[in-house]
Amino acid sequence: QSVLTQPPSASGTPGQRVTISCSGSSSNIGSNYVYWYQQLPGTAPKLLIYRNNQRPSGVPDRFSGSKSGTSASLAISGLRSEDEADYYCAAWDDSLSGFVVFGGGTKLTVL
Amino acid sequence: EVQLVESGGGLVQPGGSLRLSCAASGFTFSSYSMNWVRQAPGKGLEWVSYISSSSSTIYYADSVKGRFTISRDNAKNSLYLQMNSLRAEDTAVYYCARDQSLGVSERGWFDPWGQGTLVTVSS
Repeated sequence: QSVLTQPPSASGTPGQRVTISCSGSSSNIGSNYVYWYQQLPGTAPKLLIYRNNQRPSGVPDRFSGSKSGTSASLAISGLRSEDEADYYCAAWDDSLSGFVVFGGGTKLTVL
Repeated sequence: EVQLVESGGGLVQPGGSLRLSCAASGFTFSSYSMNWVRQAPGKGLEWVSYISSSSSTIYYADSVKGRFTISRDNAKNSLYLQMNSLRAEDTAVYYCARDQSLGVSERGWFDPWGQGTLVTVSS
C-alpha cells in the first residue's frame, strides 16, 4: 500500500490529453514539492517534472504538472505512442520515519 | 555526460550479504547527496537510503534499517550499499540516483538515475 495514491492504469489515443492523479496528505504533498518520473519499459526511471510543475531541459512541453492542496496531477497533451510507460509521483513525507514516498505507479497505454 | 553505473548485484541466499557499488562520472560527486531506490519485480519504486555529500547525514527506510549500510568514497566517486541479512523481499533492481534537492521540502528530486543492478535473494 503506497503512501501516495495513483490510479493503476490510464489510457488514451494518439493526440489526446490524459491526466494522471496523485493523492496524498498534508504531511507529504500538502507541504512539500511533488516530482514525477517516467519509466519506459525495461529502463530506469527518468525525471519528468520537478518542484510540482517544472520541466527539466529536454522534456517536451506536452508534459505538465500541477498541485492543489494534497493532490497533484500530471497532464500529457498530444499523446504519442512513445509516451506509453509507467509514471510515478514522489514527495517527501514529514510524518514518517521514511524519507521519500512514491505513488504506486500508473501504467499509461496509448491505444 | 553525467552517468551513474551500478554493479554488484547477483543471486544470494537468504541471510546472505551483498555489496552494491555505484560509479559516478561527469559531475562533481563530492558536492551531491545520493540515494538508493529499489524496485521489486513488477512492482513500484521504493526509496531505500540517503547519504549527504559529506556522509554526515544518513537515512534508511524502515524496511532495511539495521541490515543495510550506505556509504560513499568521494575520492573514488563511488557510492555503496552494504546489504546484510538479506530476505526474499529484498529481491529487486537497485538504482542509485543523484539527489538534486536544496532543502528538506525539495527531497524526492532524483536526477539522474543509474541503469540499476538486480539483486535476487533465493535459495
